[in-house]
Amino acid sequence: QVQLVESGGGVVQPGRSLRLSCAASGFTFRIYAMHWVRQAPGKGLEWVAVLSHDGSRKSYPDSVKGRFTISRDNSKNTLYLQMNSLRSEDTGIYYCARDAAEYYYYIDVWGKGTTVTVSS
Amino acid sequence: DIQMTQSPSSLSASVGDRVTITCQASQDISKDLNWYQQKPGKAPKLLIYDASNLERGVPSRFSGSGSGTDFTFTISSLQPEDIATYYCQQFDNLPLTFGGGTKVEIK
Repeated sequence: QVQLVESGGGVVQPGRSLRLSCAASGFTFRIYAMHWVRQAPGKGLEWVAVLSHDGSRKSYPDSVKGRFTISRDNSKNTLYLQMNSLRSEDTGIYYCARDAAEYYYYIDVWGKGTTVTVSS
Repeated sequence: DIQMTQSPSSLSASVGDRVTITCQASQDISKDLNWYQQKPGKAPKLLIYDASNLERGVPSRFSGSGSGTDFTFTISSLQPEDIATYYCQQFDNLPLTFGGGTKVEIK
């Protein structure tokens, strides 16, 4: 079945780095765009990044631009999120998600999430 | 950035009631709007795309309408399993943005 499994979350000090991974299975990974969406404790959803199916187009909101980098390895069916210069406001659950299109349209598959805590 | 304003932020209704949630965009987004359901402790789930298209497998009591800046999400007959927070999300322009959410509870 279609599945996304995130890993790499944990507790990290402010200013440090963390890399999240998302293993995809049950579908042809290379033809779909992929997203990261996060949720701070008790708060709503915040879109973090999108990467086109072939890795040629990507975008971020201002809140993470210049600090986070989304990438993918289509040969390994894996999505990544490199997070640098982490801040306390980056704390939350990070969801890997599949878009229905090659770049962005609607998110039709979500992982269960991995938790990132930025704290000294 | 396009701001998405949902209302109400929470509501309480009885089983069988009709529930309506509104979402307003800060600029014209045509029909580039999706609706998601998030149950407590779970990942979000797509319910409606393109403002009014029901995702496969989603019960027909859920529906969406609207275009431009004003959108409506409706549950025609609230069921106990519909307890969740509902989010609208625009994809007309990057960055993608979500509404603040509407928490639906049973009275």
